[in-house]
Amino acid sequence: EAQVTQNPRYLITVTGKKLTVTCSQNMNHEYMSWYRQDPGLGLRQIYYSMNVEVTDKGDVPEGYKVSRKEKRNFPLILESPSPNQTSLYFCASRPGQGASEAFFGQGTRLTVV
Amino acid sequence: GDSVTQMEGPVTLSEEAFLTINCTYTATGYPSLFWYVQYPGEGLQLLLKATKADDKGSNKGFEATYRKETTSFHLEKGSVQVSDSAVYFCALSDRNGQNFVFGPGTRLSVLP
Repeated sequence: EAQVTQNPRYLITVTGKKLTVTCSQNMNHEYMSWYRQDPGLGLRQIYYSMNVEVTDKGDVPEGYKVSRKEKRNFPLILESPSPNQTSLYFCASRPGQGASEAFFGQGTRLTVV
Repeated sequence: GDSVTQMEGPVTLSEEAFLTINCTYTATGYPSLFWYVQYPGEGLQLLLKATKADDKGSNKGFEATYRKETTSFHLEKGSVQVSDSAVYFCALSDRNGQNFVFGPGTRLSVLP
């Protein structure tokens, strides 16, 4: 089954404790991205990657890192999480450029206390 | 930059009522347009899409027409069901594929 898998689904952590949210897709998509969803703000792009070893900042990259060492994986790293990073995070993948739709993971609800 | 504007929610309707959720966009060139739906506790799923002017996307009784002259992509359904209760996002993708922009979302509640 074609899917985008995120882990964990729920995470509560403390300020400053490094964490990684994993994302994996099995569709051989070139393009992957991370979004955060906050009430009243919709989805905002954090980082995206157009292929292996190619990443770029989205609209709200501060406080986040990503890597794309393999085509299927695109982890999101919070080196020193802060409470303002409490949010619902989604990973998405697309076949490539142009009109292709995006496929989304189930989401990761992160709470930083 | 590119942007998407949706009507403010939440929208509350009775079952079998007619639904319209307005969406307008600002973009250079000719983007592709999408409607995504998010059911409670789930990720976003593609509902329908249109890739060029005057295209009509349709799925599960929902429809939207790409109107270049009014830069709009309004979502409609003739008779909503309780199971349609969800958050609906309008989105666009520019031709380069580097920019996938979402609107703020519209929460729909359908009452029996």
